[in-house]
Amino acid sequence: QSVLTQPPSVSAAPGQKVTISCSGSSSNIGSHFVSWYQQLPGTAPKLLIYENKKRPSGIPDRFSGSKSGTSATLGITGLQTGDEADYYCGTWDSSLSAVLFGGGTKLAVL
Amino acid sequence: QVQVVESGGGLVKPGGSLRLSCAASGFTFSDYYMSWIRQAPGKGLEWVSYISSTSTIYYADSVKGRFTISRENAKNSMYLQMNSLRAEDTAVYYCARIGGGSGWYFDDWGQGTLVTVSS
Repeated sequence: QSVLTQPPSVSAAPGQKVTISCSGSSSNIGSHFVSWYQQLPGTAPKLLIYENKKRPSGIPDRFSGSKSGTSATLGITGLQTGDEADYYCGTWDSSLSAVLFGGGTKLAVL
Repeated sequence: QVQVVESGGGLVKPGGSLRLSCAASGFTFSDYYMSWIRQAPGKGLEWVSYISSTSTIYYADSVKGRFTISRENAKNSMYLQMNSLRAEDTAVYYCARIGGGSGWYFDDWGQGTLVTVSS
């Protein structure tokens, strides 16, 4: 059981919007920046969002991040079948002195 | 362009040892923190360890006392010495660069190397 809680799966139709939540506590999300990663089937994870809402070069603005209190959210608009992947949130935990990842959320674009 | 490439994975018996390597290129390696992250088959991501640019080190509790991370800036390389391996250490091990900003994020990942612990 991960310290950071994500829904196991979400789904939406092509062109629609979806959000993925990541819930933590004051020692992790509440105190530190959150990052998000996309892992396409059979590939290494890729950074999507860092420092809560910043996008690396090359990541389309269909992907967005936000944080409020001890929770963070990844938003994806204009869904494409190529967005089907596992998505992970991550942050530092001051109490554990460790990097944490959420359990991952599988996105289905139906 | 930035690239990190892992090597050294393979099949090892329980209780055995293995040394993973990560070769970096395309950036000033000595300026960056680096990390190992693993993913057991069909499971999520698990952070293993990181090493700062000045060799400050942290480990996940699950590997503390068994794994040792190190770096050799002159060779643009990072290593993970894994001892007393257990079946639950079976995973793809990724080398990742920690971004240079304020947050804890991994901005470049290798393709991973598979470690299988089995008799």
